[in-house]
Amino acid sequence: DGGITQSPKYLFRKEGQNVTLSCEQNLNHDAMYWYRQDPGQGLRLIYYSQIVNDFQKGDIAEGYSVSREKKESFPLTVTSAQKNPTAFYLCASSGIPGANVLTFGAGSRLTVL
Amino acid sequence: GDSVTQMEGPVTLSEEAFLTINCTYTATGYPSLFWYVQYPGEGLQLLLKATKADDKGSNKGFEATYRKETTSFHLEKGSVQVSDSAVYFCALRTSGGYQKVTFGTGTKLQVIP
Repeated sequence: DGGITQSPKYLFRKEGQNVTLSCEQNLNHDAMYWYRQDPGQGLRLIYYSQIVNDFQKGDIAEGYSVSREKKESFPLTVTSAQKNPTAFYLCASSGIPGANVLTFGAGSRLTVL
Repeated sequence: GDSVTQMEGPVTLSEEAFLTINCTYTATGYPSLFWYVQYPGEGLQLLLKATKADDKGSNKGFEATYRKETTSFHLEKGSVQVSDSAVYFCALRTSGGYQKVTFGTGTKLQVIP
């Protein structure tokens, strides 16, 4: 079945450590996105990529980095520069052009100890 | 900029009650409108959508009508079930260029037997 796989589902990190969240899709979608979800704040866009080898900052990119070397993969690194990294992270994709709908993965919950 | 405003939750209803979750938006141009649903511990799933004024989206007994004159997209269901308990997000996607999706803060619905 086509979909988006995020891993790990749960991740614990010590302060000062970088951590990478994986996002893989087999939908043949061109565009991929990373969102952060915090209680009471909805979803906020971190980074997005419309094609391979290209990505753009979203609304809250500081302290995060991404790469898009393959169409299927869009990993997110949460760096030590991110001041409040504990959150639920959601990866999504959409086919373009003219795509309307986002398909989401099941999410990764990061907790900084 | 674009924004989506949803009624604050949580909303608690008895089974078979009528549901309304209000959503209003601010956007330039002619956005597409969406309702996504998130079950506990999962990513978001598309519930329904409408792409132009007066369109009605419907799915699983839920409905929402795109009202351009009131910039609203309220979600309704005539008879809720315990299995409808989830967080509901209203969202819009602007037309043209990069298809950014803006989400509301989400409304938690709890249906009790």
